[in-house]
Amino acid sequence: NAGVMQNPRHLVRRRGQEARLRCSPMKGHSHVYWYRQLPEEGLKFMVYLQKENIIDESGMPKERFSAEFPKEGPSILRIQQVVRGDSAAYFCASSPYRDTEAFFGQGTRLTVV
Amino acid sequence: SQQGEEDPQALSIQEGENATMNCSYKTSINNLQWYRQNSGRGLVHLILIRSNEREKHSGRLRVTLDTSKKSSSLLITASRAADTASYFCATDRGYSTLTFGKGTMLLVSP
Repeated sequence: NAGVMQNPRHLVRRRGQEARLRCSPMKGHSHVYWYRQLPEEGLKFMVYLQKENIIDESGMPKERFSAEFPKEGPSILRIQQVVRGDSAAYFCASSPYRDTEAFFGQGTRLTVV
Repeated sequence: SQQGEEDPQALSIQEGENATMNCSYKTSINNLQWYRQNSGRGLVHLILIRSNEREKHSGRLRVTLDTSKKSSSLLITASRAADTASYFCATDRGYSTLTFGKGTMLLVSP
């Protein structure tokens, strides 16, 4: 059973471009969470999704950020018109149920130049 | 300040010594979890302790939870150089969405 898979591991984008981050949860996990980690900081919750539904997006910036978890395929975190402040490590986690441990992927490190 | 504040920010010890890290939080929780992160890597789940539990062990790890003081501690016994990492506590707000502290950087010297 492979762990949570995130790709790409590293992503460089110029200001104004779009960034697409992908996350494949562990097999059998229907709950997906996205977190952002700025340098020297802890992780900040962004969004919680369950197949085809956004359950909690209270941590998502109001503009330029969106997330989806389609019936088939990975979860996608999309950042439009990236700015330098979007440079961070983005982590995805999955769990089989609520109120259980979450398993994290290795993260995608986004650098905006 | 955010839920889940670790103390100390950094800790440097020798191999074989014990390392204790503390975490305080502000609101009621379903559970509290501890994670380890090696530099530039993802998070590894260490232990989950529920709000109705007071202590939990896993190998060389011992976690305590005091809900009256809204605090938790992580003890690593007989530390090894491989334990060098950042350690985060995270509180579960519900739905398994976690609120992380800024972490404790642990350095274990051979």
